[in-house]
Amino acid sequence: DARVTQTPRHKVTEMGQEVTMRCQPILGHNTVFWYRQTMMQGLELLAYFRNRAPLDDSGMPKDRFSAEMPDATLATLKIQPSEPRDSAVYFCASGLAAGTGEAFFGQGTRLTVV
Amino acid sequence: AQSVTQLGSHVSVSEGALVLLRCNYSSSVPPYLFWYVQYPNQGLQLLLKYTSAATLVKGINGFEAEFKKSETSFHLTKPSAHMSDAAEYFCAVSEGGRRALTFGSGTRLQVQP
Repeated sequence: DARVTQTPRHKVTEMGQEVTMRCQPILGHNTVFWYRQTMMQGLELLAYFRNRAPLDDSGMPKDRFSAEMPDATLATLKIQPSEPRDSAVYFCASGLAAGTGEAFFGQGTRLTVV
Repeated sequence: AQSVTQLGSHVSVSEGALVLLRCNYSSSVPPYLFWYVQYPNQGLQLLLKYTSAATLVKGINGFEAEFKKSETSFHLTKPSAHMSDAAEYFCAVSEGGRRALTFGSGTRLQVQP
């Protein structure tokens, strides 16, 4: 059963702490996306990678957010230091660069910063 | 540039009634279009997609959508709503795998008994 796996599913942390979210894309997919979902802003694209190289991270606050792909099976999104306004659901999705742009989503990480 | 507009942030229908969720898109190239559904505390699941093969696209759970180039629309319909259809629905556009999907703001569908 091919699916995108995200960990953790839920995270509560105190303001100022580092948060790391992980994503395992579907095997064989060469494009990985990070989206953030909030009530106010809806679904926002934070960053995406193709063949592990960052293509666009213009949606990410550069001073505190960073995204990497250490290898083809792992993508990470870090926030340091975290702030209450970072509270949201973070989704990872994967797809194929040569395809239609269809993205397969993980279950998301619900982050609460107190 | 690509963008999506979903008309109506909330739609309420009675069980058994027609469901119509509206989506208009903007794209500088022939687009690929998608409808995703999100149930509470879940990720987004693909309902259906338009990839230029046919203008009327059938998806899962009895949903379908029609691509109308002249109207730049891709509205989602279902002839008879079921209680289990209550969810949030997102329309999205892509200009191919070289770019990320751009999503609309979503429409929350309520189904009344």
